[in-house]
Amino acid sequence: EPEVTQTPSHQVTQMGQEVILRCVPISNHLYFYWYRQILGQKVEFLVSFYNNEISEKSEIFDDQFSVERPDGSNFTLKIRSTKLEDSAMYFCASRGAQGKGEQYFGPGTRLTVT
Amino acid sequence: SQQGEEDPQALSIQEGENATMNCSYKTSINNLQWYRQNSGRGLVHLILIRSNEREKHSGRLRVTLDTSKKSSSLLITASRAADTASYFCATDKTGANNLFFGTGTRLTVIP
Repeated sequence: EPEVTQTPSHQVTQMGQEVILRCVPISNHLYFYWYRQILGQKVEFLVSFYNNEISEKSEIFDDQFSVERPDGSNFTLKIRSTKLEDSAMYFCASRGAQGKGEQYFGPGTRLTVT
Repeated sequence: SQQGEEDPQALSIQEGENATMNCSYKTSINNLQWYRQNSGRGLVHLILIRSNEREKHSGRLRVTLDTSKKSSSLLITASRAADTASYFCATDKTGANNLFFGTGTRLTVIP
């Protein structure tokens, strides 16, 4: 069964460094999302992406964040200058054009900013 | 915000018993979805109920939706130890398909 994959599974970085989190959505899906989950808290929407542009973004998704679909398979989240409070699990999700709206999530990348 | 809130926050039951989790939300929705998360893992979609539906079944899962009360419930029947996980409701605001998650219910099924 097709699945969303994410790399790396765990990323440790120093405050102020740039990180790129990578996702490979399910191949025939057209809608892509990033969410984050700070330890012990709820999953929060960051950004949605469709047709090579951002559809919607939350207040969390400020100028430090960017997303890109550099080729036909990868979907990336870049954090330009990481802060301690960016430490969280970051989940990528994708959704097909068919279906009713269910999203398929990757296993997540645990980002630790020290 | 339109995030859902689940209750209870934690639920512990014996294997074979039924587990009921509730979710409330604040704004109008297109659909409501339930997801499961095993510790430290990604979210797995369980079931989706549209705003014009009142009840859905999928295997041992039964979901109800009351849009007048802005609430939903997830019932897991004949629970198994493998059902131990956190369960989240997520609302899909009309037309956006961006999910807003609740705080989750941590279910423990004791063998």
